[in-house]
Amino acid sequence: EVQLVESGGGLIQPGGSLRLSCAASGFSVSSNYMTWVRQAPGMGLEWVSVIYTGGITYYTDSVKGRFTVSRDDSKNTLYLQMNNLRAEDTAVYFCARVEYSISSGAFDIWGQGTMVSVSS
Amino acid sequence: EIVMTQSPATLSVSPGERVTLSCRASLGVNAHLAWYQQKPGQAPRLLIYGASTRATGIPARFSGSGSGTEFTLTISSLQSEDCAVYYCQQYNNWPWFTFGPGTKVEIK
Repeated sequence: EVQLVESGGGLIQPGGSLRLSCAASGFSVSSNYMTWVRQAPGMGLEWVSVIYTGGITYYTDSVKGRFTVSRDDSKNTLYLQMNNLRAEDTAVYFCARVEYSISSGAFDIWGQGTMVSVSS
Repeated sequence: EIVMTQSPATLSVSPGERVTLSCRASLGVNAHLAWYQQKPGQAPRLLIYGASTRATGIPARFSGSGSGTEFTLTISSLQSEDCAVYYCQQYNNWPWFTFGPGTKVEIK
């Protein structure tokens, strides 16, 4: 079965760090573009980051310099390292696969999400 | 950044009625437009990609149209399980993907 399972969320104080994981099954993260999307409580979807098959990474401006996306091909897992967390980073974080061969970029597989709460 | 807008913000519809949701891009995105459905407490689900192609397993009552800056998602006959928030997303301007603010569809 093709699926993504996130973990690693929790309650963290402002300025703290957290690493989210996204374990893939049924496909290879290294052969796909993978992305993180977040959703603040009661709000819409916000694209956060993407990692290309070749390892190139991009970030939305609000997290640039604080978040790092990476992957471990041997574990078939995507990561999001979040440093210097702020209250406005509070959200459910979803990982997703960026389907390229047919759609050229739609997010076709999503994880269930993991909640990150930044509060003192 | 390409800004996506959606209208209306909320739609209250009777079962069996036809539903039309609109999405507009601030710049042309060709047909690189997707629609997602999100139910409370769940992850988004891809409904439509390429502006008009249904994703695997999506019922035929869902259809998409448009190109450039104006797009529409139509539900031909609303079912109770279609109550959700619907988001459009452009993926023309890689890698700066952007979503619309969503349209909430409720049962009247």
